[in-house]
Amino acid sequence: DIQMTQSPSSLSASVGDRVTITCRASQSISTYLNWYQQKPGKAPKLLIYAASSLQSGVPSRFSGSGSGTDFTLTINSVQPEDFATYCCQQSYSTPWTFGQGTKVEMK
Amino acid sequence: QLQLQESGPGLVKPSETLSLTCTVSGGSISGSNYYWGWIRLPPGKGLEWIGSVFHSGSTYYNPSLKSRVTISVDTSKSQFSLRLNSVTAADTAVYYCARLITTTTVSWFVPWGQGTLVTVSS
Repeated sequence: DIQMTQSPSSLSASVGDRVTITCRASQSISTYLNWYQQKPGKAPKLLIYAASSLQSGVPSRFSGSGSGTDFTLTINSVQPEDFATYCCQQSYSTPWTFGQGTKVEMK
Repeated sequence: QLQLQESGPGLVKPSETLSLTCTVSGGSISGSNYYWGWIRLPPGKGLEWIGSVFHSGSTYYNPSLKSRVTISVDTSKSQFSLRLNSVTAADTAVYYCARLITTTTVSWFVPWGQGTLVTVSS
């Protein structure tokens, strides 16, 4: 199985900050990498697919980059509704695997 | 707008079978580029993909759970179901259903249901 490792596991940010989350795959996965946002009691939400493609309806302050084994999710100017947990997922090979999540908390 | 909703018991006894159903509304369950999947979130852990099913009934499972899992689809009801047998406390989790969009290259889960908490306890 491909292991996905995120860092940091949590971070604190203020509204307006730029936030960067990293995801590393245990082997090269090209750009087969997706990012999701999770909030308690709500359906997880797709933000980015294929490493850098913004899902329809997702604000442009979210962006993704990377290829191979190293990927980044960036939130430019964090908004109050962005405090949540973010996780990456590889779609290079089954079993599909996810990172353990990064919780973005309000400072 | 496509919506998914999980349903099923919130409490299952150890060694018994966990059964959940996902109802799809606002769209077809029979699209050619869509699979339908189950994913779970154990407390304090990351998401784990359980398995997926095509509208034809073709399935593929996570090898870590394959011996205990059955996923099936009922296109007439726009539903797909999960059965996980011989459950233990380690199977306690929030269970999500989701559509898996597949292309010739990449795949991604969208949308997801809200999730349902299943606790395994006597």
